Amino acid sequence: AQKVTQAQTEISVVEKEDVTLDCVYETRDTTYYLFWYKQPPSGELVFLIRRNSFDEQNEISGRYSWNFQKSTSSFNFTITASQVVDSAVYFCALSESPNFGNEKLTFGTGTRLTIIP
Amino acid sequence: DGGITQSPKYLFRKEGQNVTLSCEQNLNHDAMYWYRQDPGQGLRLIYYSQIVNDFQKGDIAEGYSVSREKKESFPLTVTSAQKNPTAFYLCASSKVGGSNQPQHFGDGTRLSIL
Repeated sequence: AQKVTQAQTEISVVEKEDVTLDCVYETRDTTYYLFWYKQPPSGELVFLIRRNSFDEQNEISGRYSWNFQKSTSSFNFTITASQVVDSAVYFCALSESPNFGNEKLTFGTGTRLTIIP
Repeated sequence: DGGITQSPKYLFRKEGQNVTLSCEQNLNHDAMYWYRQDPGQGLRLIYYSQIVNDFQKGDIAEGYSVSREKKESFPLTVTSAQKNPTAFYLCASSKVGGSNQPQHFGDGTRLSIL
């Protein structure tokens, strides 16, 4: 069975500091996808990134960057120069083998990030 | 603008009552999903549907029912059999086809017991 662990329940940092959110996953499949979503106070989940298991290149998008390491089954998310608008709950999720009709997501329990002005 | 609309935003249920949560999407997505979110927990899958007139149970389907009569709509009924229905319910949709397209989410419905 697949599992996603976000060990950091809550993190608080002062604005402009960098912060890394950890995500560790378990799966028996060799083909899988990893996702990060942001849930602001308004409640909806906002898609941030999708990564497949064959692409271990790190990715950067503005102040956001992701570090995917298959050797440690981790997919960590770093926010550089944090801003108050980054305050939200962040979820890491895993989807196994892309079989048609089996694209379910397993979510971690989320990390609540608070940026202190 | 394309998106997912969930209604109502807040819903209250009396004991022994069934209630239905609405979810409509105009993204032309084939797949739709219902999740339940409890405080301090991740999202848990209730039901999902990959195509009209077909749906599958997720991890916590007991006490819930769904229908998928139209591509755009995937209503969720919380029945009286669901003994602990207080939660935040999120609907999502995605393309299908084997590439694990990201799911797009609605704003959610918060259900409480009177």
